[in-house]
Amino acid sequence: DGGITQSPKYLFRKEGQNVTLSCEQNLNHDAMYWYRQDPGQGLRLIYYSQIVNDFQKGDIAEGYSVSREKKESFPLTVTSAQKNPTAFYLCASTWSPGGHQPQHFGDGTRLSIL
Amino acid sequence: AQKVTQAQTEISVVEKEDVTLDCVYETRDTTYYLFWYKQPPSGELVFLIRRNSFDEQNEISGRYSWNFQKSTSSFNFTITASQVVDSAVYFCALSERRYGGSQGNLIFGKGTKLSVKP
Repeated sequence: DGGITQSPKYLFRKEGQNVTLSCEQNLNHDAMYWYRQDPGQGLRLIYYSQIVNDFQKGDIAEGYSVSREKKESFPLTVTSAQKNPTAFYLCASTWSPGGHQPQHFGDGTRLSIL
Repeated sequence: AQKVTQAQTEISVVEKEDVTLDCVYETRDTTYYLFWYKQPPSGELVFLIRRNSFDEQNEISGRYSWNFQKSTSSFNFTITASQVVDSAVYFCALSERRYGGSQGNLIFGKGTKLSVKP
């Protein structure tokens, strides 16, 4: 089945540690996105990528980093500089950027601090 | 600036009641897109509908219907004869059309949590 796979489902981070969230899609979509969701809040954009080897900061990029070495993969690293990383992280993709295409979402990764 | 407001934080209804989820948006562009997504307890967002700014026709899909009114900048969502499986958080989102290198990113409202009790 085509879709977006996020792993792990749950992740725990220790103080000072970097952790990486995986996002893989087999939909052949060009654009990929990372969002953060806090309780009672909408989704906020962290980073997005329109094509391979290119990515742009979203609204809350500080303390996060990404890479886009392959079309199907867009991993997100939560660095130690992100002081409040506890949240639900969602990865999404769409055929092409431009705003008119609906985004398809993964099941999410819930990150907590140990 | 773009903004999406979902004023209803939580709604609770009894099964078979009709319920309307409100969405009000702000944008200065004439070309834009509006979306509704459903987030069940499992967490993933499920796409429900997209509307472009030039199409004000209301849409009905089974028990779901959407009312888009540019005059009031609203894109409301009605569930008729609600069911327990409709319990979820519903998000309204706005995107402006972009060409070339700039990205028309989604701006989400804060969501409305709908609880349908048997």
